[in-house]
Amino acid sequence: ETGVTQTPRHLVMGMTNKKSLKCEQHLGHNAMYWYKQSAKKPLELMFVYNFKEQTENNSVPSRFSPECPNSSHLFLHLHTLQPEDSALYLCASSPARGGVSSTDTQYFGPGTRLTVL
Amino acid sequence: GEDVEQSLFLSVREGDSSVINCTYTDSSSTYLYWYKQEPGAGLQLLTYIFSNMDMKQDQRLTVLLNKKDKHLSLRIADTQTGDSAIYFCAEDAGNNRKLIWGLGTSLAVNP
Repeated sequence: ETGVTQTPRHLVMGMTNKKSLKCEQHLGHNAMYWYKQSAKKPLELMFVYNFKEQTENNSVPSRFSPECPNSSHLFLHLHTLQPEDSALYLCASSPARGGVSSTDTQYFGPGTRLTVL
Repeated sequence: GEDVEQSLFLSVREGDSSVINCTYTDSSSTYLYWYKQEPGAGLQLLTYIFSNMDMKQDQRLTVLLNKKDKHLSLRIADTQTGDSAIYFCAEDAGNNRKLIWGLGTSLAVNP
């Protein structure tokens, strides 16, 4: 257990569905991240939130919409997805983003395995 | 651009040592990380090393850093079947300390 939980663990959805992924961290961290993990590709950083403010959006299509209501919770709202969006979606948290002089180690949740039909 | 490279597969016998290698390109990296991912699970932080160190040991794990060659390695002593997993190398890079990830090395431990 890393202190980062994700629900659901598995999700199958059609291209016209709307669903949400949830992440919760119990580590007192202030930064949260969404990653996409696809086979044979490096881990792709999607979004970063630092103290509830979105600080990075790495050219993610608008069919993915993040929400961070507080430092402990992070959501990824999904709508009108494509089959190529099928992947493992990982949430991570870290103490705080930035600060050259100290590590900002990220701790990961177990992921949500998403399949888009 | 920034890049991290790892060999994709490694197979060892139980009880032997495993050495997983990684090369990176950003010489300004401050920290380098090793994560482990077991089947169906997320990434688990194994260890990390500060860039001004050349070695770090933590029980069965030894990390070696050759900053001149931009080479990082993870040695697992007395490898067990439970060590079978994918091992990811990552460096923090650039002013925003973004993590750059390798593709992962799949370690198979044979009895």
